[in-house]
Amino acid sequence: DAGVIQSPRHEVTEMGQEVTLRCKPISGHNSLFWYRQTMMRGLELLIYFNNNVPIDDSGMPEDRFSAKMPNASFSTLKIQPSEPRDSAVYFCASSLKRRLAGGYNEQFFGPGTRLTVL
Amino acid sequence: DAKTTQPPSMDCAEGRAANLPCNHSTISGNEYVYWYRQIHSQGPQYIIHGLKNNETNEMASLIITEDRKSSTLILPHATLRDTAVYYCIVRGGSSNTGKLIFGQGTTLQVKP
Repeated sequence: DAGVIQSPRHEVTEMGQEVTLRCKPISGHNSLFWYRQTMMRGLELLIYFNNNVPIDDSGMPEDRFSAKMPNASFSTLKIQPSEPRDSAVYFCASSLKRRLAGGYNEQFFGPGTRLTVL
Repeated sequence: DAKTTQPPSMDCAEGRAANLPCNHSTISGNEYVYWYRQIHSQGPQYIIHGLKNNETNEMASLIITEDRKSSTLILPHATLRDTAVYYCIVRGGSSNTGKLIFGQGTTLQVKP
C-alpha cells in the first residue's frame, strides 16, 4: 500500500496567488482529514470528511480556505488568495470509520506539503 | 474530548526503556487514549491506543491506571530513531467525531 499521497511536497508562491494542495487517501478509507502545522500553533485540524461529505469545517481559518472531496480517492485544499501567514506544513490523513464502539480507526498521515507564501 | 497533560521534554539512553507519562484526569468512561508520534519533518504516526486494559503491540506498550486518569507509553528498548514528539490524545465516547486534538506533546530525545 502506498499510504496517503500528497502533492506537491513543496510549494513556494507569492502573496495573492491561488494554491491547491492535493491528497489521495488510502484505498478503502472513508474518512479524510486536513491538518495544518506551524511552530506557533502546532497541529490543527482544519476540516474532515466522512464518505466524501464535509462534517466539520470549524477549523478552517477563513473564507480564503476551501476543501473539496469529489470522490473517495481525491481531495483538495485550496487557498485563494494566499497570504504569508498561511505558510505552514499541511497534512492530509485518512482512516476507516467503523460502526463499532470507538468509531474511528487510527489515522494514517501523508508526508505533508510544505507551503511558503512570500 | 478530555484534555491531556504531558511533560514538554524527556531524555532516554539508547537501549533503555522510555516511559512517557500522560495525565487525562477528566477522561470519561467511553473515551479512548491514543498515542501518536511525529519524527522530524514527517507526518504523525499512530502508535497504540487503549480503553482501560493495558495494550501491547510491536511498537510499544500502553499502561492505563485503574482509575483511567493517567497512562504511560513504554518504548521497551529505545533507539535513536525513536527520537520524536509523542502525543497523547483522548477521544471517542458519546461525542465521537473522529477528530484528533493535538497538544504540544513530549519531545523525546534518545541519546547514544
